[in-house]
Amino acid sequence: AQSVTQPDIHITVSEGASLELRCNYSYGATPYLFWYVQSPGQGLQLLLKYFSGDTLVQGIKGFEAEFKRSQSSFNLRKPSVHWSDAAEYFCAVGAGSSNTGKLIFGQGTTLQVKP
Amino acid sequence: EAQVTQNPRYLITVTGKKLTVTCSQNMNHEYMSWYRQDPGLGLRQIYYSMNVEVTDKGDVPEGYKVSRKEKRNFPLILESPSPNQTSLYFCASSPRAKETQYFGPGTRLLVL
Repeated sequence: AQSVTQPDIHITVSEGASLELRCNYSYGATPYLFWYVQSPGQGLQLLLKYFSGDTLVQGIKGFEAEFKRSQSSFNLRKPSVHWSDAAEYFCAVGAGSSNTGKLIFGQGTTLQVKP
Repeated sequence: EAQVTQNPRYLITVTGKKLTVTCSQNMNHEYMSWYRQDPGLGLRQIYYSMNVEVTDKGDVPEGYKVSRKEKRNFPLILESPSPNQTSLYFCASSPRAKETQYFGPGTRLLVL
């Protein structure tokens, strides 16, 4: 069955430190992958996406992610975290037939930023 | 401004009292979808719509209905809400299936 796993439920980093959020997926075909961010009380905002091509994708707010097919991973990174990055982050994979458009989401990772 | 809107944003109701959560998008998107978000479970798809008059079940459709009479609107209907439908609901739209989905602000529902 298709699934997405975010192994870290909660991560705390210091402001200015680097960040890596892990995402592993299980999907039989070539996936299309997303990272969304949800600030408290807000909807989901797209950070970046991978459909095909270059496996290192750049997103908004200085985030990037790398698709590694051999590891079934799509980890999110940022070289220097800002206090405003504190939020919940969701990895998602596009699944199912081309007609469903369903996204399978991971459980989410809550990022806390220490001053 | 291109956006997905949902109403109401917050709703408290009682078991069995029918309710509708509206969703509207102004981007002329063909594809629309409803998700529910529960702690530790991420988001799960309830229903989706490929276009006007074309809807289908997602992973957790029990207790919900939808309709797509107009391209811009995709209401979620709870005919007889139960406490296990207490959740945060998101509507999303995209130009077509398998393209980037844009999410509304969410509707937080409490069923007593």
